[in-house]
This record gives sequence, C-alpha cells and structure tokens, in this order.
Amino acid sequence: RKEVEQDPGPFNVPEGATVAFNCTYSNSASQSFFWYRQDCRKEPKLLMSVYSSGNEDGRFTAQLNRASQYISLLIRDSKLSDSATYLCAVNNYDKIIFGKGTRLHILP
Amino acid sequence: DTAVSQTPKYLVTQMGNDKSIKCEQNLGHDTMYWYKQDSKKFLKIMFSYNNKELIINETVPNRFSPKSPDKAHLNLHINSLELGDSAVYFCASSPEEGWFTEAFFGQGTRLTVV
Repeated sequence: RKEVEQDPGPFNVPEGATVAFNCTYSNSASQSFFWYRQDCRKEPKLLMSVYSSGNEDGRFTAQLNRASQYISLLIRDSKLSDSATYLCAVNNYDKIIFGKGTRLHILP
Repeated sequence: DTAVSQTPKYLVTQMGNDKSIKCEQNLGHDTMYWYKQDSKKFLKIMFSYNNKELIINETVPNRFSPKSPDKAHLNLHINSLELGDSAVYFCASSPEEGWFTEAFFGQGTRLTVV
C-alpha cells in the first residue's frame, strides 16, 4: 500500500456544487494530516490541518477517520477560483508525505 | 518578506553540468526539506534536516548533496546533471520535527536539463 493515496481526477464540477475528495494513508501512527492547494506553476499552500476528527473553515471541511485511515475534504458552494490541485499530506514524524494530488476544475 | 525563499527561480543547464539551488527561511523554523516535483506532479521528499543535521535521505543519488550551514539555510548542489533531473525543486520548512507540524514551501526552482 502506498504511503498516501488519492484519486488523481480530474473532477469537473459545476460552479456552486459540492465536491468531496478522499485520501488514504498507510501509517497508523500518523498524528496530523493536511490538505494543501497547488495552483499551476506555483508552490503548495496549506489549506487545512486536521489533528482530531475534523476541521471546518468556511466552505471547506476536512474530516479524519482513523479506523479506516482516510481523510476527506469537502468543498461546498464551489467557486471558479477553487480550480486547483489539492494535495493530501500526512506527517510521519520526521517527514511529511504527499499524495499525488487531485485535480479540480470548476465549470462556469 | 518572503518566508521561504529559493534562488534561482528558473535554471536551464546542459547535461553534465553542476548546479546549486539556495534556500533560506526567515520563520525561525528548526526543520527544512527538499522536495522534487516531476512532470507528473508527484511531490516526493528528498531530504529532511533538523537543526542543520541530516535526518532523512530518501534514496536520492549521491550526485545530490544538500548542505545546511545554519538552520535557516538549506542548499542543494547537484553534480553531473542528467535529463531525468529536470523537475521543480521545492524547499520547505517546519517549525520543528515531530508529529504535529506542517510544511511551508518556497516558490520552487524549475530546473531544465538539456
């Protein structure tokens, strides 16, 4: 099993819709999890951190399921500006491991 | 007031050359990393340093040699560049090593080997 796995997409979603991504991880000892956003030709930027069951920030909700070893990101009322690649990341104590990213296209 | 800064932003060079990328963070963080993002956009960790000491070397060829003169700087020197080294190299930093820390990235160095 890969350390961090994500569906690469692309997800093509109409503006205003709700979209959700999942990410699975292999190290059951991991304690903190992150969603990063990466725009084309830019660096990854931290979107949300998840340390316990979940976290909400405006239209974005991240949830953690330790039993099944996955985290999810839910985007409500999607905007054109949400189009980007979303990277799941897992802290394995001495390194932060990234998934391959999920591409999201919001359609007008 | 860039938090993690890398130079140069773009680097085009011929096969066989040696080149260096510099990284500096002004966040006071203890831990720094080098990541490589290839053409398929996979962001893969290469090295991890904590307080100038090498912690992780993810089976990177020894043509790649990181150097950390102090905890605010982590440079990457690459010898005998190959076509497959073409990628975007990101420097990142974290407040500390540990289970509850996130990474903050520089803007990346786009290396093209011709």
